[in-house]
Amino acid sequence: ETGVTQTPRHLVMGMTNKKSLKCEQHLGHNAMYWYKQSAKKPLELMFVYSLEERVENNSVPSRFSPECPNSSHLFLHLHTLQPEDSALYLCASSRAGQNEAFFGQGTRLTVV
Amino acid sequence: AQSVTQPDIHITVSEGASLELRCNYSYGATPYLFWYVQSPGQGLQLLLKYFSGDTLVQGIKGFEAEFKRSQSSFNLRKPSVHWSDAAEYFCAVGASYGNKLVFGAGTILRVKS
Repeated sequence: ETGVTQTPRHLVMGMTNKKSLKCEQHLGHNAMYWYKQSAKKPLELMFVYSLEERVENNSVPSRFSPECPNSSHLFLHLHTLQPEDSALYLCASSRAGQNEAFFGQGTRLTVV
Repeated sequence: AQSVTQPDIHITVSEGASLELRCNYSYGATPYLFWYVQSPGQGLQLLLKYFSGDTLVQGIKGFEAEFKRSQSSFNLRKPSVHWSDAAEYFCAVGASYGNKLVFGAGTILRVKS
């Protein structure tokens, strides 16, 4: 098992669809993150969960809804997305209070 | 507020040549500094990190970086580049305690044979 696993690796969805991205970490960490990586833009931190509580929400539109049921799993629920939401969505994990983050391979999302 | 600047968007080096990727940061306290590498379509892999102590840190794949507080820099170096090093490299800064990394815009490294 790799440290941080994201599924699916690729997702194409229509603007009216509802889908979810899944992230699972096997590193014994207790903080998890969602980042968005768009072409020609720096990585954008979307959400942070530390000890299963959301501690950061960087003005992300409500069409993105995170869920962290336990310290090993993180979801990003998507609904009524826009084409500009097409990007690589990266999940990461770390020990709570520490910045050394380990990343998954990402989900390439295309909104049509 | 924290910020990271990677001045070079693209760099091309010949295989076997030396490499230096620049990173400048802005942070009010002692920073924690990181370099990550990303191959196309993949996630980010941690190359090395600086928390404290020796300002020259060694990482994986033969990379090293030097922390220079006076210049607010954390440049990444490799003495001899291999074709497999072609990727995008990201510098990041974080607080000594926290859950937030700020990333630079990245530098794309091309290696020519």
